[in-house]
Amino acid sequence: GAVVSQHPSRVICKSGTSVKIECRSLDFQATTMFWYRQFPKQSLMLMATSNEGSKATYEQGVEKDKFLINHASLTLSTLTVTSAHPEDSSFYICSASPSPTGSAKNIQYFGAGTRLSVL
Amino acid sequence: QKEVEQNSGPLSVPEGAIASLNCTYSDRVSQSFFWYRQYSGKSPELIMSIYSNGDKEDGRFTAQLNKASQYVSLLIRDSQPSDSATYLCAVNKGYSSASKIIFGSGTRLSIRP
Repeated sequence: GAVVSQHPSRVICKSGTSVKIECRSLDFQATTMFWYRQFPKQSLMLMATSNEGSKATYEQGVEKDKFLINHASLTLSTLTVTSAHPEDSSFYICSASPSPTGSAKNIQYFGAGTRLSVL
Repeated sequence: QKEVEQNSGPLSVPEGAIASLNCTYSDRVSQSFFWYRQYSGKSPELIMSIYSNGDKEDGRFTAQLNKASQYVSLLIRDSQPSDSATYLCAVNKGYSSASKIIFGSGTRLSIRP
């Protein structure tokens, strides 16, 4: 259980194009999903918290117009990198947390990640 | 001061020995604590979760939590080469599924044959 699917796993695009990344919780509902970014040899950086049916909450320094987040259903959140540039090249990872039950409090399960390369 | 601090390593441990990974956190109200393992180029994988003071064992892994000292650790017994990875300590202040987790920068562990 608690499987999070992320697609695509790798994207190579030209500068100026937009890229959409999907994150799905396959066997549970997630009112909240999280989007992270990770540069080589660095830790995860939380970009935003995606809330089903409402606007995402962005971390300080993350451009909301650059990184569009849509959480259309309880099992799907999307991240769109608009007008991508080479500096946006990174490893993007989503996570989701099932509703806490018993001892499984607030555990986040991660998607496999999307490696974005902008030429 | 970082909210979650880890020694970046690399920590080199001989195969079969015990690997000890440490983490400190700054916010006393933190409620939930996690250890994730991340292989190079892959996303994090949950290894252990711990919520109460003391030890929690799962197979070769033992998590230890001391809230008074704001310290959480992970012990890996009988270390195997496949344990070589970056281990991320993560801390959360709440129990809600909407609560965000703060990650440490990770400790690189290398198990030498």
